[in-house]
Amino acid sequence: RKEVEQDPGPFNVPEGATVAFNCTYSNSASQSFFWYRQDCRKEPKLLMSVYSSGNEDGRFTAQLNRASQYISLLIRDSKLSDSATYLCVVNLEDSSYKLIFGSGTRLLVRP
Amino acid sequence: GAVVSQHPSRVICKSGTSVKIECRSLDFQATTMFWYRQFPKQSLMLMATSNEGSKATYEQGVEKDKFLINHASLTLSTLTVTSAHPEDSSFYICSARDHRGGYGYTFGSGTRLTVV
Repeated sequence: RKEVEQDPGPFNVPEGATVAFNCTYSNSASQSFFWYRQDCRKEPKLLMSVYSSGNEDGRFTAQLNRASQYISLLIRDSKLSDSATYLCVVNLEDSSYKLIFGSGTRLLVRP
Repeated sequence: GAVVSQHPSRVICKSGTSVKIECRSLDFQATTMFWYRQFPKQSLMLMATSNEGSKATYEQGVEKDKFLINHASLTLSTLTVTSAHPEDSSFYICSARDHRGGYGYTFGSGTRLTVV
């Protein structure tokens, strides 16, 4: 079983749509959670951290359910520029400080 | 903010040769850097953790004699792909952890390696 699992997509949505991505992680010791965005042939860039209480940054809302080991990302009012691959990332915050990446969910926003 | 510079951005080399990739933290000191590899349509896979002044820690299945990592200073880590083969063609990305003000991970812009 993969440590971090995501639906690969692609999600093909019209501009203005609301889209949600899900992610599950297997290690209950995971302490920190993130969503990264990766454009084609580019490095990943941090979109937002995910907190237990849920958090929002503009059109983006992230949720964490530790009991279910489940993370979500909601994008409202999709823009063409949101087209990218969204990576779910967890960190054990042990002495290794390693980030574990999901395989990503691809989003295509069409005009 | 934290900036990580990675060079070269792309390289084409002949099979059997070695390639060195550099990762520099420009405005912070990084005692720990990470090297990832990403194949097309796949996720980033951690290859190794580079520790300043000590040996790198390799992930299971990664050949330490093939992927040489040197972290001789607090701002520079290098990955050398030795005796490269076509199957080593991939996107290699480094990341550094900025300890200032809590943790934060910054990625280099990646190196696209093509072995012919």
